[in-house]
Amino acid sequence: EVQLAESGGGLVQPGGSLRLSCAASGFTFSSYTMNWVRQAPGKGLEWVSSISRSSDYTYYADSVKGRFTISRDNAKNSLYLQMNSLRAEDTAVYYCARGTPFDFWGQGTLVTVSS
Amino acid sequence: EIVLTQSPGTLSLSPGERATLSCRASQSVSSSYLAWYQQKPGQAPRLLIYGASTRATGIPDRFSGSGSGTDFTLTISRLEPEDFAVYYCQQYGRSPRTFGQGTKVEIK
Repeated sequence: EVQLAESGGGLVQPGGSLRLSCAASGFTFSSYTMNWVRQAPGKGLEWVSSISRSSDYTYYADSVKGRFTISRDNAKNSLYLQMNSLRAEDTAVYYCARGTPFDFWGQGTLVTVSS
Repeated sequence: EIVLTQSPGTLSLSPGERATLSCRASQSVSSSYLAWYQQKPGQAPRLLIYGASTRATGIPDRFSGSGSGTDFTLTISRLEPEDFAVYYCQQYGRSPRTFGQGTKVEIK
């Protein structure tokens, strides 16, 4: 069974940093592009970042470019999102999602940026 | 950036009725790389349709997708109680992989 489990969310002050993780199981992780998508409270879905199977290519939304870094460790079946210089508008549930299109999603982890 | 505009914002229908949701792109979506997702409150989104018209694994055949270029449609032939949710379209042919703003299908 395909499973994606996000962790690392929490409350952080503006300007702070947080690292999200996504543990994958039930499939060959290294065979899939992986993605982060976020959803602000009561709002729609916003694509954040994607990474190719071997980490050769990374893509970012303009809203996070230069502040967020996506990475993966295929040996550990894990996806990461390093978030720096966090702003109030980064407050959201962050989902990791598999593939293109996004055929499996984790349950999400809540990031709250507030003083 | 390809902007996706979904209409209507809210659709009020009764169980058993037909739902027609629209997604219009600001530029042509290459190779019909257009997907539809369903999201229920408190849950992660679920992939329904990809390639504009191909149902994902396990999706009932009352869900169908159509369209090409800049105009796409998701049709639910007969609404079941579990279909009342928010639906999003997404283009994944070009970065950034944008989503529409969503259509809420609510019980009338």
